[in-house]
Amino acid sequence: QKEVEQDPGPLSVPEGAIVSLNCTYSNSAFQYFMWYRQYSRKGPELLMYTYSSGNKEDGRFTAQVDKSSKYISLFIRDSQPSDSATYLCAMSGEGTGANSKLTFGKGITLSVRP
Amino acid sequence: ETGVTQSPTHLIKTRGQQVTLRCSSQSGHNTVSWYQQALGQGPQFIFQYYREEENGRGNFPPRFSGLQFPNYSSELNVNALELDDSALYLCASSRSAGETQYFGPGTRLLVL
Repeated sequence: QKEVEQDPGPLSVPEGAIVSLNCTYSNSAFQYFMWYRQYSRKGPELLMYTYSSGNKEDGRFTAQVDKSSKYISLFIRDSQPSDSATYLCAMSGEGTGANSKLTFGKGITLSVRP
Repeated sequence: ETGVTQSPTHLIKTRGQQVTLRCSSQSGHNTVSWYQQALGQGPQFIFQYYREEENGRGNFPPRFSGLQFPNYSSELNVNALELDDSALYLCASSRSAGETQYFGPGTRLLVL
C-alpha cells in the first residue's frame, strides 16, 4: 500500500461546478497537509497548506483534513476553465530533513469545460 | 512565480552519461529539496540540503548526489544515467528546513 493514495482521474466537469478532490494516507506521523496545482510542463504551485485537522478556506478553495480517518479533501467552488490542471496532495511530518520531505499522491488531472 | 529558478529547462543525454542540474533558491531561503517526477506520477523526494549540508535523503542510489553553495543555490548530479532516470527534476526552496516548500519550474531530462 502506498503512503498516499489519490483518487484516480481524469476528471472533467462543466464550468461553475463544485469539484471535490480527495486523498487518503496511511502514515500517522503526517502533520502538514498541502495541495499543489501543476499546470502542464510547469512546477507545482502551492494552493493550500493546513496543519493537523480542520478546515481552511481561501477564496473558491476549501481544504479539509480529517486525521482520525486519514483523509484530506480539496473543494473548488464555481470552477473555471483556468482551474484545469493536475492537482497533487502532499503531506509531511514534523521536524527537518527526511521528516519534512513531501510525500505526494499521484495527482489527478482536472478539466473544466466552458 | 516562486522566485525559484532551475537550469537548464530541457536536457537530452544518453545512457551512461553524467548530468548536472542547477537550482537557485528564493531570496532569504537556506534550504533546497530535490524531487524526481516521472510521467504521470507525483514527485518523489531525492534529498534535502540545509546550510550546505545534506539533511535527509530519500530512496535513491548513491549515483544521485548534490551540493549546496554558500549562496544556497544547489546542484543535483546524476552519474551513470539509466533510461528510468528520464523525468522532470524539481527543486523546492524553503525559508528553513521543515518549512513550506516552493517549487521551481523543473528540468526535463530525457535519457536515450
